[in-house]
Amino acid sequence: DIQMTQSPSSLSASVGDRVTITCRASETIRSRLNWYQHKPGKAPKLLIYAASSLQSGVPSRFSGSGSGTDFTLTISSLQPEDFATYYCQQTYSTPLTFGGGTKVEIK
Amino acid sequence: QVQLQESGPGLVKPSQTLSLTCTVSGGSISSGGYYWSWIRQHPGKGLEWIGYIYYSGSTYYNPSLESRLTISVDTSKNQFSLRLSSVTAADTAVYYCARVYEYNWNSLAFYYFDYWGQGTLVTVSS
Repeated sequence: DIQMTQSPSSLSASVGDRVTITCRASETIRSRLNWYQHKPGKAPKLLIYAASSLQSGVPSRFSGSGSGTDFTLTISSLQPEDFATYYCQQTYSTPLTFGGGTKVEIK
Repeated sequence: QVQLQESGPGLVKPSQTLSLTCTVSGGSISSGGYYWSWIRQHPGKGLEWIGYIYYSGSTYYNPSLESRLTISVDTSKNQFSLRLSSVTAADTAVYYCARVYEYNWNSLAFYYFDYWGQGTLVTVSS
């Protein structure tokens, strides 16, 4: 199985901050990497697919980059509604696997 | 707007079978280009992919669950279902259903989970 390692596991940030979350795959996954936002009691929401493509309706402050084994999700200016847990997911091979999550909290 | 809704018992006894159904609205489960998936989240943990099914009935399971798992589809009801047998406390989790979009680019297949249900908590306890 491909292991997905996210860092940090949690972070505290203020509104307006630039936030970067990293995801590393245990082997190459080309660009088959998605990012999701998850709030308690809600359905997870797709933000980025294929490493860098912004899902329709997602604010442009979210961006993704990377290929191979190392990927990044960036929030350019953190907004109050962005406090949530973020997960990366590889779809290069089954079983599909997710990272452990990064919880973004209010500083 | 596509919507998915999980339903089923919230409490299952150890050794019994966990059964959940996902009802899809706002779109046909028979539409090509989509798989229909189950994912779970153990309390305080991350997300675990369980498996998915195509409307034709082709299935792909997580090997860690495959021996106990059945995912099926009922196109007439626009639903797909999960059955997990011989459950233990380790199967206690929030279970989500989701639509998986498949597309091809540069001869490569890409997948992403674009619509999810709200999730349903299933507790395994006597």
